[in-house]
Amino acid sequence: GAVVSQHPSRVICKSGTSVKIECRSLDFQATTMFWYRQFPKQSLMLMATSNEGSKATYEQGVEKDKFLINHASLTLSTLTVTSAHPEDSSFYICSASARGWQNYGYTFGSGTRLTVV
Amino acid sequence: GEDVEQSLFLSVREGDSSVINCTYTDSSSTYLYWYKQEPGAGLQLLTYIFSNMDMKQDQRLTVLLNKKDKHLSLRIADTQTGDSAIYFCAEISISGGYNKLIFGAGTRLAVHP
Repeated sequence: GAVVSQHPSRVICKSGTSVKIECRSLDFQATTMFWYRQFPKQSLMLMATSNEGSKATYEQGVEKDKFLINHASLTLSTLTVTSAHPEDSSFYICSASARGWQNYGYTFGSGTRLTVV
Repeated sequence: GEDVEQSLFLSVREGDSSVINCTYTDSSSTYLYWYKQEPGAGLQLLTYIFSNMDMKQDQRLTVLLNKKDKHLSLRIADTQTGDSAIYFCAEISISGGYNKLIFGAGTRLAVHP
């Protein structure tokens, strides 16, 4: 149980275009979803936290208008990288949690490798 | 603010034990976690420990928690080549009413014959 599906796994896009990444909880209702960014050989940097039906909470230094997060249902959250540039190339990972799940950890998607050319 | 620190690299011989260490700063953390990341993949939860525990063992994995020193360790017994990966220590931090995971930089474990 507790599977999180993230798509696409890899995407290459042209500079200036937008890319949408989906994160779905397949067998549970995710009250909270997290979006992380990981640079090569570095740790995960939390970008934002989203709760179903409310606006995402962004971490300091993360541009809200550039990284649009939508958590419209209990099983789906999306991250849209708008007007992507080469410096946005990175590995993006989502994570989902249900209320009271701290003792079971957070389930992660398999990640999306974004390359902006 | 919250901070989690780990050594960056560990090399062990196949069959030996591996010990990965981590220190954290948030004394109010209720849960502490160990995650494993293989190349190009997401994170896999290995184990967790509740803050009122000193030790937890799960098959080849043993977690030790020294709450006084805010030190967490993960011991992998009989390390195999399939254990080669990056291991992240993480603590829960409550901020703005939300629980969020704070990760260490990750320890790259290399297992050699």
